[in-house]
Order: sequence, then structure tokens, then C-alpha cells
Amino acid sequence: ETGVTQTPRHLVMGMTNKKSLKCEQHLGHNAMYWYKQSAKKPLELMFVYNFKEQTENNSVPSRFSPECPNSSHLFLHLHTLQPEDSALYLCASSQDRIRGGVTGELFFGEGSRLTVL
Amino acid sequence: GENVEQHPSTLSVQEGDSAVIKCTYSDSASNYFPWYKQELGKGPQLIIDIRSNVGEKKDQRIAVTLNKTAKHFSLHITETQPEDSAVYFCAARTNSGGGADGLTFGKGTHLIIQP
Repeated sequence: ETGVTQTPRHLVMGMTNKKSLKCEQHLGHNAMYWYKQSAKKPLELMFVYNFKEQTENNSVPSRFSPECPNSSHLFLHLHTLQPEDSALYLCASSQDRIRGGVTGELFFGEGSRLTVL
Repeated sequence: GENVEQHPSTLSVQEGDSAVIKCTYSDSASNYFPWYKQELGKGPQLIIDIRSNVGEKKDQRIAVTLNKTAKHFSLHITETQPEDSAVYFCAARTNSGGGADGLTFGKGTHLIIQP
């Protein structure tokens, strides 16, 4: 148990569906992240939120829409995805290094395995 | 931006032997280098990290070395055990001076411990 919970663990959707991935962290951290993990590729940083504000968007297609209502919750809204978007989506959190954090260690959830048909 | 290369992609060693995984990075401003272990069905978990003002760090059977001049760092696992079997990722981060920022990861090494 890492303190970061992701739901659902598995999701199958068609290309025209709309679905959302949810992440919740119980660690009191102020920064949250979405990463994409595909086979044979490095983990790809998608979005970073610090104190609920998006601080990084790594050229992610608009069919992925993040939402961070507070420092403990992070969503990834999915719309009209493509089969190549099938992957494991990992959420992580950390304590902001500038505002008193220690190492900025990332704590990952167990991921949401997404399959787009 | 930062680019991290990791080798090998797969490493098979006999139980009890040592395993070494190597990474190189491109951005000379990077100053934080963590290693993550990912077991099947789980998210990556930090096992050890090193900062640029240190050349080596050890924690029981795990050690990491850093060569800033050559821009490479390595993970060393001694006396390997079956529970060491997993995928290992190296990563690098530049201290941008701002707040939270993400890590750049290598592609991962699948470590297999043969009984």
C-alpha cells in the first residue's frame, strides 16, 4: 500500500466512449502526476499538478483531459481515444521540494490498465 | 530536454550472483537520480536514489554509483534473491528551481533471478 489509490484497475472502452480514471492520495502531498506506461517504452510524463495548478503538459493530445479539484484527487478524462492509447496509466504524488519537501520522491499507484478497442 | 538510456533491457543472473544495470543521461544540469523497482501488477517503488554531490550510496545489498563527468550512473545488487526479480527503472531530474516536476525515466530492465 503506497498511499496512492487508482480506480478502476482495468478499463476497456470503445473509441467513441467517454470514461474517466481516478486517483486519490492519502499522503498529504501537494503535487500529483499522470504517467503513461507502454510496453518497451520509458514511462512518459503526461501532466503535473502542483497545489491544484497544472504546471506541465507534455504535448498530450486533447483527447486526454486532466482535472485536479484538490491536492488529494486527480482525474484523467478520456474521450474518443485511439487503439494506440492502450497502456497502463500511472498516477503519482510527491511533496513539493521547494515548499519544505524532502526528496521529491514519487509515490506511484498501481495503475489503471486501459484497453481501447 | 533530458534523455535517459538504460541497459540492458533484460538481465538474467543466478541466485546469489550480482546484477548491474547502467544508465546514461544527456542533461548535465540533472542532479537527482532515483531507481525504481516495479513488480508485476504494481506501480514503481523507489528503492534508492543519489544526488549529484555524492559519488556512491549503499543500502544493504543495493548500491548506486554516479559519474557526473561521464554522465552515467549504475545500480548494483549483490547476493541476488528471487524477490529481486522485477523491472527496474532509472530516472533523472533537473533541479529547475521551480516546484514539482516530473522525472525522465529509462526504458527499464527486466531482472530475472534464476534459482
